[in-house]
Amino acid sequence: QLQLQESGPGLVKPSETLSLTCTVSGDSISPTKFYWGWIRQPPGKGLEWIGSIYYSGITYYNPSLKSRVTISVDTSKNQFSLRLTSVIAADTAVYYCARPHSPSRVYGDFFYWGQGILVTVSS
Amino acid sequence: QSALTQPASVSGSPGQSITISCTGTSSDVGTFNIVSWYQQHPGKAPKLLIYEVTKWPSGISNRFSGSKSGNTASLTISGLQSEDEADYYCCSYAGSNTFVFGGGTKLTVL
Repeated sequence: QLQLQESGPGLVKPSETLSLTCTVSGDSISPTKFYWGWIRQPPGKGLEWIGSIYYSGITYYNPSLKSRVTISVDTSKNQFSLRLTSVIAADTAVYYCARPHSPSRVYGDFFYWGQGILVTVSS
Repeated sequence: QSALTQPASVSGSPGQSITISCTGTSSDVGTFNIVSWYQQHPGKAPKLLIYEVTKWPSGISNRFSGSKSGNTASLTISGLQSEDEADYYCCSYAGSNTFVFGGGTKLTVL
């Protein structure tokens, strides 16, 4: 059974960089043909797609976050990671990593999800 | 990209059917038959209910069904049960390998 687990600091200071890692178990990131994604949810609000990465390193980002986001993959560790720079209070959210139902496509149909990690931006 | 528009809340009694709408534009819902629906209980990760407008992933009850007309997609839940009380989100492909979520709808089972 595929499992995803987010890890990283729960508290980040304004203007600093948020860094999270998603560890995948039960399947290999490479060479399965999926676009692994990051999604976030501010407290009490809706879902927002951050970006997705293919095992080969191809990335696609939400245009509204693109200037601050980098998603990378480490197939040797079966992990993929998120970096969000210059964070502000509005970046406070539960951050989820997820894998889609459909391979080889960025369709937003995420079937497997991590439990989520709350990241608070505060000094 | 703008968030898809969903009603803030809907309600229904056990056994009834309800429909949640998701309105987008000709740049997303209206052009692509790539709409997903999610259910989210408090404190839990979202659960995929429907993908590609009408398809069920494994393990999902056929009480949940999806449809689309023009720029609006819909999720219908039939035979409403107490455990269906949750937040529901739609998501549409928006071209150029991006997609956008709806604002979410809170379903109350009376």
